[in-house]
Amino acid sequence: GAGVSQSPSNKVTEKGKDVELRCDPISGHTALYWYRQSLGQGLEFLIYFQGNSAPDKSGLPSDRFSAERTGGSVSTLTIQRTQQEDSAVYLCASSADPIPTYEQYFGPGTRLTVT
Amino acid sequence: AQSVAQPEDQVNVAEGNPLTVKCTYSVSGNPYLFWYVQYPNRGLQFLLKYITGDNLVKGSYGFEAEFNKSQTSFHLKKPSALVSDSALYFCAVRDSRGRGSTLGRLYFGRGTQLTVWP
Repeated sequence: GAGVSQSPSNKVTEKGKDVELRCDPISGHTALYWYRQSLGQGLEFLIYFQGNSAPDKSGLPSDRFSAERTGGSVSTLTIQRTQQEDSAVYLCASSADPIPTYEQYFGPGTRLTVT
Repeated sequence: AQSVAQPEDQVNVAEGNPLTVKCTYSVSGNPYLFWYVQYPNRGLQFLLKYITGDNLVKGSYGFEAEFNKSQTSFHLKKPSALVSDSALYFCAVRDSRGRGSTLGRLYFGRGTQLTVWP
């Protein structure tokens, strides 16, 4: 079946512009996660959605970052007034259930370059 | 606090030799442990997980991992490495004591680059 998809695969933007990154989770998965992977760094947790519960935003690095999930499915990560340090690969993942025993399935990522 | 350490940034091994990628963790409750692999310009692929039971877990592509509670380790192993195993490997942990919105998140190590040379 279809996996997690993300768009665009690559995004180049000028410093100060806003960007939107999209994630389509696996159908039926209730939990959705955003991570950021910077060069030479591990995976940094950004935000987590579970059903209709309030999202866990504890990983968002600044108030320029926000995310929403509409209808319990598609999610959009928005970065306002982009900075060069925002350049990274943004990964989305979903899982069937947030209970700890379920593995997360990752999308291919969006590579963001801020010039 | 939950954390994962992968002490080696890079592991090099000859094809046909056994490989080990090390991982240690810290959680307050019981750990749920995962290994993922990332090939160039790809997302992460799930390899295997330890939840409970047998300490030796077998996963995809001939990989296995051994959970050691006393050493708080979950090292990834393969008896005979292939050149195609060359990739970036991530260890991750969830805490069984996670509650509410923190229940689902994974804590990742920084990754270990595995290179298998012919």
